Amino acid sequence: GQNIDQPTEMTATEGAIVQINCTYQTSGFNGLFWYQQHAGEAPTFLSYNVLDGLEEKGRFSSFLSRSKGYSYLLLKELQMKDSASYLCAVTGTALIFGKGTTLSVSS
Amino acid sequence: KAGVTQTPRYLIKTRGQQVTLSCSPISGHRSVSWYQQTPGQGLQFLFEYFSETQRNKGNFPGRFSGRQFSNSRSEMNVSTLELGDSALYLCASSFLGDSTEAFFGQGTRLTVV
Repeated sequence: GQNIDQPTEMTATEGAIVQINCTYQTSGFNGLFWYQQHAGEAPTFLSYNVLDGLEEKGRFSSFLSRSKGYSYLLLKELQMKDSASYLCAVTGTALIFGKGTTLSVSS
Repeated sequence: KAGVTQTPRYLIKTRGQQVTLSCSPISGHRSVSWYQQTPGQGLQFLFEYFSETQRNKGNFPGRFSGRQFSNSRSEMNVSTLELGDSALYLCASSFLGDSTEAFFGQGTRLTVV
């Protein structure tokens, strides 16, 4: 079976840095995705990690440790528009999502 | 290029009825996956189709079914609707499935009354 855990909610202020953690247990693992979903909209792709280590893309970075079943998404220089749900998803036999972390950014 | 198109966007049905939702993937994408999204459960995997074959299936009852056509368009069907089937149904297309980026449609909001 597969189990993906991430915090339900997080809050932060503009300009800050926030780290959203994701732990997973899965039978069969190819890689880990992070998606962003604004309220009322479809999820959009943020990052994909296959190998251990940090992938940086602008203000967003994603880290993976396959041996620990652990990933995090790091958001720097937070902006109000970053208020959204962040979904961790693992791919093995299918793309399976965690329940998402709702991030609220305040001024 | 055109994105993933889902129709209809909104639907209201009565308990016991059946419903068919449609998803047109991005041109060239052969994998289509369906998800049910509810506030409490998040995105739950229904099934994935690849080249007209169901490749993976989630833990949903047999009332939920799907198919994929030769042009990669996909439909999902829910029979004998229950109130608990009210949800946002999202379709995602990708080139190969598995380790390739999935692009989501805007979803179909189904309300069962």
